[in-house]
Amino acid sequence: EAGVAQSPRYKIIEKRQSVAFWCNPISGHATLYWYQQILGQGPKLLIQFQNNGVVDDSQLPKDRFSAERLKGVDSTLKIQPAKLEDSAVYLCASSLLSQAGVSGELFFGEGSRLTVL
Amino acid sequence: AQSVAQPEDQVNVAEGNPLTVKCTYSVSGNPYLFWYVQYPNRGLQFLLKYITGDNLVKGSYGFEAEFNKSQTSFHLKKPSALVSDSALYFCAVRALSSGSARQLTFGSGTQLTVLP
Repeated sequence: EAGVAQSPRYKIIEKRQSVAFWCNPISGHATLYWYQQILGQGPKLLIQFQNNGVVDDSQLPKDRFSAERLKGVDSTLKIQPAKLEDSAVYLCASSLLSQAGVSGELFFGEGSRLTVL
Repeated sequence: AQSVAQPEDQVNVAEGNPLTVKCTYSVSGNPYLFWYVQYPNRGLQFLLKYITGDNLVKGSYGFEAEFNKSQTSFHLKKPSALVSDSALYFCAVRALSSGSARQLTFGSGTQLTVLP
């Protein structure tokens, strides 16, 4: 079974530039997540989709971050303009949704490491 | 608000000895608890989870975790550590609530080093 695919693996940009990350979840997984992991910290949820709808984006800095999952499959996370503090690993994860509506365990991609100079 | 505490940033253990990585949590209602492991430059890998039932859950690579409701803890354990177990371990919690989504909250991680 193919895992969660993410690209690019590494990206270096200057502050105020823009960047986009792509994620393709495991086939059949209804729920997709974007997490930000700053060095030395645990992952922090940015946004959660269920199919193509947003379930939770309460911690997404909406003035600069945006994300979409238009067809309910793959997703794009964009940062514009980037700040120094956005340097982190951006992790995409997906999970199945049970008939009871409970999300199962998350399966993570290998992440996209962003360095903002 | 739900939270996870991993009180030890670093745990060192000799190969062959038992290991414990500690986790305590706070959540409204019944918890849904997870342990994940992260190797350098890799994403997180699922180890095990607790939903209901037996308080001792077994997972991948010989790991197990014990759920203690009165102490709100979910410590990760392994009877005999291997050098290859050296990695960053994360505990996570979410409220177990059917019919609605709940955010999965991670701890800050514990770096486990198994010494040969």
